[in-house]
Amino acid sequence: GENVEQHPSTLSVQEGDSAVIKCTYSDSASNYFPWYKQELGKRPQLIIDIRSNVGEKKDQRIAVTLNKTAKHFSLHITETQPEDSAVYFCAANTGNQFYFGTGTSLTVIP
Amino acid sequence: DTGVSQNPRHKITKRGQNVTFRCDPISEHNRLYWYRQTLGQGPEFLTYFQNEAQLEKSRLLSDRFSAERPKGSFSTLEIQRTEQGDSAMYLCASSDRFRASSGNTIYFGEGSWLTVV
Repeated sequence: GENVEQHPSTLSVQEGDSAVIKCTYSDSASNYFPWYKQELGKRPQLIIDIRSNVGEKKDQRIAVTLNKTAKHFSLHITETQPEDSAVYFCAANTGNQFYFGTGTSLTVIP
Repeated sequence: DTGVSQNPRHKITKRGQNVTFRCDPISEHNRLYWYRQTLGQGPEFLTYFQNEAQLEKSRLLSDRFSAERPKGSFSTLEIQRTEQGDSAMYLCASSDRFRASSGNTIYFGEGSWLTVV
């Protein structure tokens, strides 16, 4: 089955700086890669996603890049704000179940 | 659209008891997923349904776990003879498999926290 690895597990940045979280996957059949943000005690919420026919997608301060050859994808958050502090999960999907990374706890220091 | 709804939100039970969680997906979503999440970990896949058919079950799903989606709408997840290791948050998610633009996207409920004492 698919194996998704996520790094780093924790990340602290100063407010206004950028944050980058990286994930790798193993199954070349995976074709959809969403990113979720989860605040303490809350549900994971989709923040951005990318499909395998696209190399990059941007939504305001958030962007995701995908390298199919290397089987890795990354989340980029620019101009970080304290409200960006949360746990972020990447996932890979082949069209059936989703496989999640172990999460990155992001802390934005005011 | 009221989102994915789960209940109960919290359940404390004694070891050996049975518990049941209910999930109401987003209206007309044909796929429904169950995941388990423990502190510091990502969601772990348990099982998923396409309408009323249970299409896949994880090896994590021991025979003490059973899930149903009898009419292709709401789903229940039952854990029999609970063990302390079952303590976790049980997340339900749903998706509309046949919408081309967002068919893969899954939307999570708030989760049901289980504590086995």
